[in-house]
Amino acid sequence: QSALTQPASVSGSPGQSITISCTGTSSDVGSYNLVSWYQQHPGKAPKLMIYEGSKRPSGVSNRFSGSKSGNTASLTISGLQAEDEADYYCCSYAGSSTFVVFGTGTKVTVL
Amino acid sequence: QVQLVQSGAEVKKPGASVKVSCKASGYTFTDYYIHWVRQAPGQGLEWMGWINPNSGGTNYAQKFQGRVTMTRDTSISTAYMELSRLRSDDTAVYYCARVKYQLLPHGAFDIWGQGTMVTVSS
Repeated sequence: QSALTQPASVSGSPGQSITISCTGTSSDVGSYNLVSWYQQHPGKAPKLMIYEGSKRPSGVSNRFSGSKSGNTASLTISGLQAEDEADYYCCSYAGSSTFVVFGTGTKVTVL
Repeated sequence: QVQLVQSGAEVKKPGASVKVSCKASGYTFTDYYIHWVRQAPGQGLEWMGWINPNSGGTNYAQKFQGRVTMTRDTSISTAYMELSRLRSDDTAVYYCARVKYQLLPHGAFDIWGQGTMVTVSS
């Protein structure tokens, strides 16, 4: 099972909006509403930002939103802030055999 | 508060085994599946498998089958991940993570351990 495909890097200026794509297949992203997104700062553990494609855990800013279309999920960060600079990973359930697949990761840079 | 606390860094020689622990607190340990995820230096996240803390049932990624063993001790609310026949490319930070939903093996990982660095070097 290959990793989900994400752009290696995305950048934006403070206050702008950016979108990170996560492309999978009909065996993972396309088949289940179980895409999650994680933020990881250097040297830290990942933090859950979005689950079930578009739901935000308590405490996560509403500047973060998720969506899905077909085999591609997306994470949008609006009103970009310096603290949003981090690596972001998508993750999907991939059925009972493969089970979990992560994305390749995207480095977000705030210019 | 709900947290997972992992054991400290390890340095191992090629061919050896390593056992990492993950102690849960702040919730009922047996109600939530625990997954293990690793991250090689400068690389992405890689899923290794899960354990059902209630039954002890496991499911391993095909890549690690035969080399990984996940166990738990419910008396001390601790999950373990043992990786054998270590190679240099097993050098990574190993994380345990809890599934957000009770009694389900799949779903988002809402609580993560702080990570355990395992270095494999001769």
